[in-house]
Amino acid sequence: NAGVTQTPKFRVLKTGQSMTLLCAQDMNHEYMYWYRQDPGMGLRLIHYSVGEGTTAKGEVPDGYNVSRLKKQNFLLGLESAAPSQTSVYFCASSYSIYEQYFGPGTRLTVT
Amino acid sequence: RKEVEQDPGPFNVPEGATVAFNCTYSNSASQSFFWYRQDCRKEPKLLMSVYSSGNEDGRFTAQLNRASQYISLLIRDSKLSDSATYLCVVNRAGRGSQGNLIFGKGTKLSVKP
Repeated sequence: NAGVTQTPKFRVLKTGQSMTLLCAQDMNHEYMYWYRQDPGMGLRLIHYSVGEGTTAKGEVPDGYNVSRLKKQNFLLGLESAAPSQTSVYFCASSYSIYEQYFGPGTRLTVT
Repeated sequence: RKEVEQDPGPFNVPEGATVAFNCTYSNSASQSFFWYRQDCRKEPKLLMSVYSSGNEDGRFTAQLNRASQYISLLIRDSKLSDSATYLCVVNRAGRGSQGNLIFGKGTKLSVKP
């Protein structure tokens, strides 16, 4: 039982490049979330999903897209990376609508 | 008032000390409350839920005061391994906010020998 996994763990992008972050969970959770964490800002919700095939915007969705084609996977895409997207990205999932379980994070640097 | 507000610390305490963290939240409609722990360069992990009647888990006690919109976490007999950042978390109440949690910026605790 791996819980929530994220790939890659680290990535460096140049401005304008694109990439996809993958989140997978093996707990059969309905809800999945993408957050970013920046120094002094705390965790901020980017997008979330309440079930397979559904997605919704969080607090800071601009510049990101998501897809939930399979219940166990939640993908976060950056179409044209900007230095302001340098951050640590965490994926989380939950069975109920409250307690969330986090993946180990992806450290992204955009130069 | 910010949605979830915590004293950022840092709290520097000796081993064996008792330390308390406080948190306030702005939305009186919030129904679920948690404390998460985050170690340096790691993901947040659920420490404990906070119930209206207060709850205890070993050396940790959480309290909720709905009237004052205030949550607390008490750690007794601090251990070196308690050093971490403690995040106060509240559910985002209201329509269209399914499952959304609001995370405080965290209070950093450093326990010294």
